[in-house]
Amino acid sequence: EAGVVQSPRYKIIEKKQPVAFWCNPISGHNTLYWYRQNLGQGPELLIRYENEEAVDDSQLPKDRFSAERLKGVDSTLKIQPAELGDSAVYLCASSLDVGPNEKLFFGSGTQLSVL
Amino acid sequence: GEDVEQSLFLSVREGDSSVINCTYTDSSSTYLYWYKQEPGAGLQLLTYIFSNMDMKQDQRLTVLLNKKDKHLSLRIADTQTGDSAIYFCAEAAGGYNKLIFGAGTRLAVHP
Repeated sequence: EAGVVQSPRYKIIEKKQPVAFWCNPISGHNTLYWYRQNLGQGPELLIRYENEEAVDDSQLPKDRFSAERLKGVDSTLKIQPAELGDSAVYLCASSLDVGPNEKLFFGSGTQLSVL
Repeated sequence: GEDVEQSLFLSVREGDSSVINCTYTDSSSTYLYWYKQEPGAGLQLLTYIFSNMDMKQDQRLTVLLNKKDKHLSLRIADTQTGDSAIYFCAEAAGGYNKLIFGAGTRLAVHP
């Protein structure tokens, strides 16, 4: 069974440029998460989707970040314009459903470097 | 607020046991997790424990939970070089699967 697939694997851009990340969750998983992992830190939740609805985006910097999950499957996360401090690994995860005992499965992440 | 703390680094000899410690703050957390991250890879769920348990064993892994002190530990028996990775402790906060992660403990296994 394929796991969570993310692309691109690496992205290098100059500041003020836009960038987008794509995620394909495990088939049948209703809940999708975007996390950001800064160097030397644990991941921090940016946004959580239940099907196509964003149910927790309290940590998403809405002035420059946007996300969508059309049709409740794939998701894209966009930054426009990117800032130096956005350099991090962006991780996508999915779970079958939502609840404290639901296991999250993570993709390999997109490593973003903003120059 | 919610916070998870871990020691940053642990070095062990191959074949010895490793013990990675974690403290958390949210006493309402129902589940606590251990994830493993190898270089350039995403996080892999290793094991988890429900808050009404004090111990869980899964092959070489033993999780101990002291709910009174909000202390969680992961013991890896017979540590191998393939166990070298960063280990993250996480609590499920807020009544649903909103994971709060620690900064991770880097485990180095040497011959």
